[in-house]
Amino acid sequence: DIVMTQTPLSSPVTLGQPASISCRSSHSLVYSDGNTYLSWLQQRPGQPPRLLIYKISNRMSGVPDRFSGSGAGTDFTLKISRVEAEDVGVYYCMQATQFPTFGQGTKLEIK
Amino acid sequence: QVQLQESGPGLVKPSETLSLTCTVSGGSINGYFWSWVRQPPGRGLEWIGDIYYTGSTYYNPSLKSRVTVTADTSTNQFSLELRSVTAADTAVYYCARTTAQPSRWYFGLWGRGTLVTVSS
Repeated sequence: DIVMTQTPLSSPVTLGQPASISCRSSHSLVYSDGNTYLSWLQQRPGQPPRLLIYKISNRMSGVPDRFSGSGAGTDFTLKISRVEAEDVGVYYCMQATQFPTFGQGTKLEIK
Repeated sequence: QVQLQESGPGLVKPSETLSLTCTVSGGSINGYFWSWVRQPPGRGLEWIGDIYYTGSTYYNPSLKSRVTVTADTSTNQFSLELRSVTAADTAVYYCARTTAQPSRWYFGLWGRGTLVTVSS
């Protein structure tokens, strides 16, 4: 299995300030087709997860451009340029290079 | 607007079989992959397995010996069976629609989830 490790596990942020979440995989996520199947999901309190970003940096339709993804190989980052109240929740990285596995989740909360 | 709705018993006894159904409304089951993902209370996500509308399945190796996912195109439903359950199988179970484009396991749509508790 590919193990996904996120840091930090909790991130208190002031409204309007940036936030950053890191995700590291135990194996390279570069697939045989040359793509890297790393996604980010958001889970707001009491709701199912929602896909935000796929293939490292592609935002799903309707996702605000304050969300951005970057990285390569085994190290990836989700950044929120200016945190808004609606961004509160848990963020998961997920790899789909092999069968899907998820990070432990990072809880984003407002200070 | 396509929606997914999980249904099934909320309480299952240890050693018995957990059975859930996901009903797809507002769209067809054809042309897509259909996944089950679970989340133990207060914990992270675990992919259980999926089925293509043609019937091909793929399971998480750690659960493969206990899991069966089936689909019924005539009723627009797909189902999960998890055998020999223990308390460790207590979780919110989500059904989801995935596609292979634009990305492998592109989780484009989720159900709201249903809590299943394993207890005697």
